[in-house]
Amino acid sequence: DTAVSQTPKYLVTQMGNDKSIKCEQNLGHDTMYWYKQDSKKFLKIMFSYNNKELIINETVPNRFSPKSPDKAHLNLHINSLELGDSAVYFCASSTDRGSGNTIYFGEGSWLTVV
Amino acid sequence: AQSVTQLGSHVSVSEGALVLLRCNYSSSVPPYLFWYVQYPNQGLQLLLKYTTGATLVKGINGFEAEFKKSETSFHLTKPSAHMSDAAEYFCAVTTIYNQGGKLIFGQGTELSVKP
Repeated sequence: DTAVSQTPKYLVTQMGNDKSIKCEQNLGHDTMYWYKQDSKKFLKIMFSYNNKELIINETVPNRFSPKSPDKAHLNLHINSLELGDSAVYFCASSTDRGSGNTIYFGEGSWLTVV
Repeated sequence: AQSVTQLGSHVSVSEGALVLLRCNYSSSVPPYLFWYVQYPNQGLQLLLKYTTGATLVKGINGFEAEFKKSETSFHLTKPSAHMSDAAEYFCAVTTIYNQGGKLIFGQGTELSVKP
């Protein structure tokens, strides 16, 4: 069983489209995250949710809207896609925010905007 | 605020040689430090972490790292490289005070292993 699973793994779409990436964790964790990895492999947090409550919104354009229907799911919806949105998006989860708990990452979703 | 600097974006070693990947951090409060590995087209996997206690931390696949507060370093080592170690390695820092458990990553070091 995959601990943190996200779909789709690969997504190619045109500029201006709206797309969603889904994420589910079966670890029983309270905190979930979205990280973005750019073309230079730099990783940066986008959002953090704890028990469905938004904790971190790291100056991400409001075209990006996370939604957490329950603590096991955190989806990412992106409106009006731009070329610069091309990246790898990682969903992740941990038992609690802070305290050095291990953050478990999904396999990533490779988004290409053309 | 914290930051991480990984010295060397690319490191190449021969199979069987020592692996040394360097990580220096900046934090005004006690840090929690992590090393993650990313194989091509895959997610990140935790190799090891330091939170408190013993400063020499052993991880998976024969890797270990030592927290040196005086040098603000957390270098990753492995005595003998295997071909399967070829991957991207990320050092990361957080603290108990980081809102939302935010991890700050270094820029990554690509490890190549020559036969």
